[in-house]
Amino acid sequence: NAGVTQTPKFQVLKTGQSMTLQCAQDMNHEYMSWYRQDPGMGLRLIHYSVGAGITDQGEVPNGYNVSRSTTEDFPLRLLSAAPSQTSVYFCASSFQIRGTGELFFGEGSRLTVL
Amino acid sequence: ELKVEQNPLFLSMQEGKNYTIYCNYSTTSDRLYWYRQDPGKSLESLFVLLSNGAVKQEGRLMASLDTKARLSTLHITAAVHDLSATYFCAVDGPRTQGGSEKLVFGKGTKLTVNP
Repeated sequence: NAGVTQTPKFQVLKTGQSMTLQCAQDMNHEYMSWYRQDPGMGLRLIHYSVGAGITDQGEVPNGYNVSRSTTEDFPLRLLSAAPSQTSVYFCASSFQIRGTGELFFGEGSRLTVL
Repeated sequence: ELKVEQNPLFLSMQEGKNYTIYCNYSTTSDRLYWYRQDPGKSLESLFVLLSNGAVKQEGRLMASLDTKARLSTLHITAAVHDLSATYFCAVDGPRTQGGSEKLVFGKGTKLTVNP
């Protein structure tokens, strides 16, 4: 069972470059989300989606874009990378009936911006 | 704005001892989640608490929820080294105007169990 798959697992960017972190889930989950994890900060919500075609901002959305064209995929785009975006990024999904639901996490993508 | 606070943030304990991790949150919610993260790994779900008074147990871990006090506890009984990890609580916030909800995490409690 694949669950939530994130690619790439590691990436190094230069300031100003753009890239997309991919996230795919095969559990037919409606709810998908992106978090970033920084030391001492816990996990902070970047963007989330409650279904195809619907996205919303989380706590720290600036510098990131998302789209949800299918139930399975929820890519996160960095338009112009900055050193402050150096972090570990987690994609998570859930079968949301009421509330966010129990989240299933991908393995994470470690991004370094030089 | 929903705030979730865990304490302690760091916990070092000896094998065989008992301890409790606390999770306080600032606004009304009746759904709380506990996750475990091993170093360099992803998060895995431990407990889902969906109502006031909910209690869940798995091995040496027991979680409870008091929605009136806005408090959840994660109790560790007779700790063993394998329980060393970072534990996060997370709370569903109020519905937005669009009808969706956001899950807010605490900063995590890093537990180290020493032989």
